[in-house]
Amino acid sequence: GAVVSQHPSRVICKSGTSVKIECRSLDFQATTMFWYRQFPKQSLMLMATSNEGSKATYEQGVEKDKFLINHASLTLSTLTVTSAHPEDSSFYICSARDHRGYTEAFFGQGTRLTVV
Amino acid sequence: AQSVTQPDIHITVSEGASLELRCNYSYGATPYLFWYVQSPGQGLQLLLKYFSGDTLVQGIKGFEAEFKRSQSSFNLRKPSVHWSDAAEYFCAVALPLTGGGNKLTFGTGTQLKVEL
Repeated sequence: GAVVSQHPSRVICKSGTSVKIECRSLDFQATTMFWYRQFPKQSLMLMATSNEGSKATYEQGVEKDKFLINHASLTLSTLTVTSAHPEDSSFYICSARDHRGYTEAFFGQGTRLTVV
Repeated sequence: AQSVTQPDIHITVSEGASLELRCNYSYGATPYLFWYVQSPGQGLQLLLKYFSGDTLVQGIKGFEAEFKRSQSSFNLRKPSVHWSDAAEYFCAVALPLTGGGNKLTFGTGTQLKVEL
């Protein structure tokens, strides 16, 4: 089956620093990747949709300068949380859709970000 | 506005008992429908999906779901629950994106506890 690898699984950073999270599709090419944020005991909230080679589309209320998304290749998208603050602490999950247009999206295992 | 509703926040069942998790959606047309399961600190695993055709769909781990257009529902069922089924379950719909493609919108989730 299709595998999406997300790295790191956990990260702790100091307030004011930046953190990069990687999302890779290991055995398929993903023209579209999605980034979600999940608060404790809550559902997943879509942050942005990224298409390979173009700018990401951010959901309303998501600061694009805060959450930088790069989708430079068909197998890699990155989310950089810039100037992180404690309120950015959350569980971030990516998903990727096969370039052949299948509607199903495959999810990474998530990244637990803690800003101290 | 399009929405996905999971009315039950928590459900507790005894091992071996049957299970039904409810999901209702609000959308003008029939969307693509999904059920995902999430274990603590993990990403999401697809249990099953409905695109079209037979309204009763079979998934992994013995789960099934039935699409009922008249009720705008897509309830998840399992005849006999195992202790390892304890997890968070999310219903999701794929809604079209402006410009093509689609994105997943998730319900708020149902936390399943299994009593031994």
